[in-house]
Amino acid sequence: DIQMTQSPSTLSASVGDRVTITCRASQSISSWLAWYQQKPGKAPKLLIYKASSLESGVPSRFSGSGSGTEFTLTISSLQPDDFATYYCQQYNSYSPSFTFGPGTKVDIK
Amino acid sequence: QLQLQESGPGLVKPSETLSLTCTVSGGSISSSSYYWGWIRQPPGKGLEWIGSIYYSGSTYYNPSLKSRVTISVDTSKNQFSLKLSSVTAADTAVYYCARGIRGSNLDYWGQGTLVTVSS
Repeated sequence: DIQMTQSPSTLSASVGDRVTITCRASQSISSWLAWYQQKPGKAPKLLIYKASSLESGVPSRFSGSGSGTEFTLTISSLQPDDFATYYCQQYNSYSPSFTFGPGTKVDIK
Repeated sequence: QLQLQESGPGLVKPSETLSLTCTVSGGSISSSSYYWGWIRQPPGKGLEWIGSIYYSGSTYYNPSLKSRVTISVDTSKNQFSLKLSSVTAADTAVYYCARGIRGSNLDYWGQGTLVTVSS
């Protein structure tokens, strides 16, 4: 089974900061990686798919990069609405099975 | 706009079977372009994939839960369902249903429903 890790687990930042979250896979997953944002009491919301493709309607301050085993989610200028928990998720092209990372909570510094 | 809505008991006794249904509206469940999944989140913890199903009935389960999970689809009602047997307090969680794009990620989620396992 593919294991996913994220770092850091918690990140304290201020509005306007550039924020980077790292996700690592235990083996190569090519670019089969998505990023989700989750706010308390809400379902996760898709931000990025295929490692770097921005979901429609998601602000351009969000970007994703990486391939193989190391991936990053970057928020170029943190906005008040961005304080949330972020999860990476690996998936594959041949079966609808997947694994989530443990999450990174972005809170106010 | 596609919508998914979970329904089922919010309280289940230990050793019994948890049963939830996801009703899909605004789109057909009978499309080979998508799969349908269940994900759960224990209070204060992360997301765990439970299993997925295609409208044809092909199922895929998390190996850690496989012995207790059954996912089924009812295309006539545009619904899919989850059964989790022999539940314990560790199965207390918010349960989400979601749609996934074949060969790709999840794109639409239900709002989630809290299921508590307690006597």
